[in-house]
Amino acid sequence: DADVTQTPRNRITKTGKRIMLECSQTKGHDRMYWYRQDPGLGLRLIYYSFDVKDINKGEISDGYSVSRQAQAKFSLSLESAIPNQTALYFCATSDSGRYYGYTFGSGTRLTVV
Amino acid sequence: AQKVTQAQTEISVVEKEDVTLDCVYETRDTTYYLFWYKQPPSGELVFLIRRNSFDEQNEISGRYSWNFQKSTSSFNFTITASQVVDSAVYFCALSEASGYSTLTFGKGTMLLVSP
Repeated sequence: DADVTQTPRNRITKTGKRIMLECSQTKGHDRMYWYRQDPGLGLRLIYYSFDVKDINKGEISDGYSVSRQAQAKFSLSLESAIPNQTALYFCATSDSGRYYGYTFGSGTRLTVV
Repeated sequence: AQKVTQAQTEISVVEKEDVTLDCVYETRDTTYYLFWYKQPPSGELVFLIRRNSFDEQNEISGRYSWNFQKSTSSFNFTITASQVVDSAVYFCALSEASGYSTLTFGKGTMLLVSP
């Protein structure tokens, strides 16, 4: 099994629908992140969580919300999806310890029509 | 604030050519980590290297090599004798070592290697 699992892998949804992207990890890392990738823009940080009770907005949080249900689970919600939220979404984890490594999920390709 | 600049949007080379991907970074921290990731057409992110700010030794891994120069805030990536399978988007990223840092990416360089 993958260390960081994102579900679904692909999703097509309609404008105005609420959608949740889920991320779970088996790394035992305390920190989790959601990034969005658009062509030519790299990966931009949406939200991040340094532990279960800590949630922080990233660079592009408008239109998104998150929930850290447990140390291993971090969900991203689009409350009312719009077409310009069509993108590739990545979940990542890291350890707040001395080892500054990041583990990424395989990505969720979201299309809003 | 931390920032990563990859000025080359797209590079095209012919197989067996050497190619260098540039990465320039900005940070106020003295301790930080630099990364390179590869994103093949399948879309997943493949970790290539992590380098901390105190280790300026260049690194070579097979056909890949990295040149870290603190004096110019650069962490460039060279592929020697490129192959078609090297075609991908390559991202440089930076994470400061302070407690509340996150990973900041450059916009990526698309490398196309043709036969």
